Amino acid sequence: GAVVSQHPSRVICKSGTSVKIECRSLDFQATTMFWYRQFPKQSLMLMATSNEGSKATYEQGVEKDKFLINHASLTLSTLTVTSAHPEDSSFYICSATPHSGQPQHFGDGTRLSIL
Amino acid sequence: RKEVEQDPGPFNVPEGATVAFNCTYSNSASQSFFWYRQDCRKEPKLLMSVYSSGNEDGRFTAQLNRASQYISLLIRDSKLSDSATYLCVVNHSGAGSYQLTFGKGTKLSVIP
Repeated sequence: GAVVSQHPSRVICKSGTSVKIECRSLDFQATTMFWYRQFPKQSLMLMATSNEGSKATYEQGVEKDKFLINHASLTLSTLTVTSAHPEDSSFYICSATPHSGQPQHFGDGTRLSIL
Repeated sequence: RKEVEQDPGPFNVPEGATVAFNCTYSNSASQSFFWYRQDCRKEPKLLMSVYSSGNEDGRFTAQLNRASQYISLLIRDSKLSDSATYLCVVNHSGAGSYQLTFGKGTKLSVIP
């Protein structure tokens, strides 16, 4: 079945650091990938839609200059949290699907802790 | 009105019990529906897709009522391992769109 790999799974770093998270579709091509964030005891919230070869589409309230998305190939999207602060600490998850309307497959998630 | 609504629970049920979750969605043009389960501090995993005719996978049965715009999940003979948060997920923009909208989830605890 479709597999999505996300890396790293855990990041702990100091305030002000920029953190890059990778999302790869391992056995299919994905023109679109999605980035979510989940705070403790909250639901998954879509942050942005990553589009291969074009700009990402950000949800309302998500700063595009803070969360940089690059979808340079059909199997890789990256999310960079720039100048991260403690309030950015969260669980970040990506997803992708080989076909429209079919279930999304999620990466393992990245737990980000900013000290 | 929220796009996808679920009862947050928690549902605390004994092993062997039958439990049902409901979910309502607001966009009548929604095309695809899914149930995911999410364990604590883990990513969501697909449990099953939901088809118009209803579908069953072992102890799990999913139903879709388009007229009333709700989806249900029935779990029979609950196991301890069924304890998780169950997410109702809708493809909100129609068959041509990949984007999903998640409900907040219903928490299930199966008790020995």
